[in-house]
Amino acid sequence: AQRVTQPEKLLSVFKGAPVELKCNYSYSGSPELFWYVQYSRQRLQLLLRHISRESIKGFTADLNKGETSFHLKKPFAQEEDSAMYYCALSGPSGGSNYKLTFGKGTLLTVNP
Amino acid sequence: GAVVSQHPSWVICKSGTSVKIECRSLDFQATTMFWYRQFPKQSLMLMATSNEGSKATYEQGVEKDKFLINHASLTLSTLTVTSAHPEDSSFYICSASSRVNYEQYFGPGTRLTVT
Repeated sequence: AQRVTQPEKLLSVFKGAPVELKCNYSYSGSPELFWYVQYSRQRLQLLLRHISRESIKGFTADLNKGETSFHLKKPFAQEEDSAMYYCALSGPSGGSNYKLTFGKGTLLTVNP
Repeated sequence: GAVVSQHPSWVICKSGTSVKIECRSLDFQATTMFWYRQFPKQSLMLMATSNEGSKATYEQGVEKDKFLINHASLTLSTLTVTSAHPEDSSFYICSASSRVNYEQYFGPGTRLTVT
């Protein structure tokens, strides 16, 4: 069974500090990993996906297959980064494998 | 681009009645639409996957006779909660998957309260 674990429900950091949101997964095969963000009173939106290897809003995430992790990092947190962050996985893209399994989310608060 | 709307944004209904929620992809054609349920301060739980013109695929534990899904076109899917009960009160979110890159775009959600 596929599973996504986000061990921290809450994470609080000060502005300018580095931030790392942890995500571990279990999946038999080669999954696609994603990070979604939900700002207050807004819809869920894609932050980044591992296959694109992009850096969005200063965030990066590296897929570590050995540790089955996909931690989200940013070197200098900003107040506007405060949001709920969800890690998610799916099977290889395309077809019925594309349904997402979400972690329980981490609420990030960046203090001034 | 890639906007998904849901209607209504919130609804209150009496126990025993049925409620229909619409999910539309406004500016793209969606191969697949997904329906999620989110309890307060919890994650999204996938309820079902629907492909245009075919029957929805429900996740384990989701009653297909209670949560009727119709996906009549490439831009519209509906979720009908039949004979609603207070325990069906929740936040229902849909997403639509682009035919181009299979990325899922999420709707704003519908808050259902059953009294």
